[in-house]
Amino acid sequence: SQQGEEDPQALSIQEGENATMNCSYKTSINNLQWYRQNSGRGLVHLILIRSNEREKHSGRLRVTLDTSKKSSSLLITASRAADTASYFCATGTGANSKLTFGKGITLSVRP
Amino acid sequence: KAGVTQTPRYLIKTRGQQVTLSCSPISGHRSVSWYQQTPGQGLQFLFEYFSETQRNKGNFPGRFSGRQFSNSRSEMNVSTLELGDSALYLCASSLQGKENTIYFGEGSWLTVV
Repeated sequence: SQQGEEDPQALSIQEGENATMNCSYKTSINNLQWYRQNSGRGLVHLILIRSNEREKHSGRLRVTLDTSKKSSSLLITASRAADTASYFCATGTGANSKLTFGKGITLSVRP
Repeated sequence: KAGVTQTPRYLIKTRGQQVTLSCSPISGHRSVSWYQQTPGQGLQFLFEYFSETQRNKGNFPGRFSGRQFSNSRSEMNVSTLELGDSALYLCASSLQGKENTIYFGEGSWLTVV
């Protein structure tokens, strides 16, 4: 069963704009990870944020985590056509590698 | 450092057959987990192995099995294939499986006809 719900399900923006994607989850977590998937390919790890962290940055990526609201957001600044992909949030709840994924967000960046 | 390597990348099998997929984790990673991705069900956890022991299992029938070898390489097997087993099977590895970044391979595309 899906733990996370991403919002919106699809997002279309112009190159250079910022893209914000949201993820909500249901149970307590140890960490939350964001992944990118290009069509037909594997998952590329973007960023991990632990439950005791509120914000993390990596290049053009900014992730926030609000454990009181059980939600996270991924911001991609100055988007590029190459950012076109599906994005997934995944939560980890224990001392193991089991991740529970959301349904994903399809991001289209128009050149 | 090489990433997670999965073989084969693509395969076609007939209903009733069985299939074995292979995964080599990132060097030094002892935790290997498997996921199934389908358009209808999304990404679902199959199982995780750590130091050759299955540590966690998802909600899949017994036709799905796996194992891990002493060098941390892992295989998963699906017996008596059904059409609904057509999916992208993803292998992931992590250093110790404890709040660590989990890295995925490119996946094995299985088509059952």
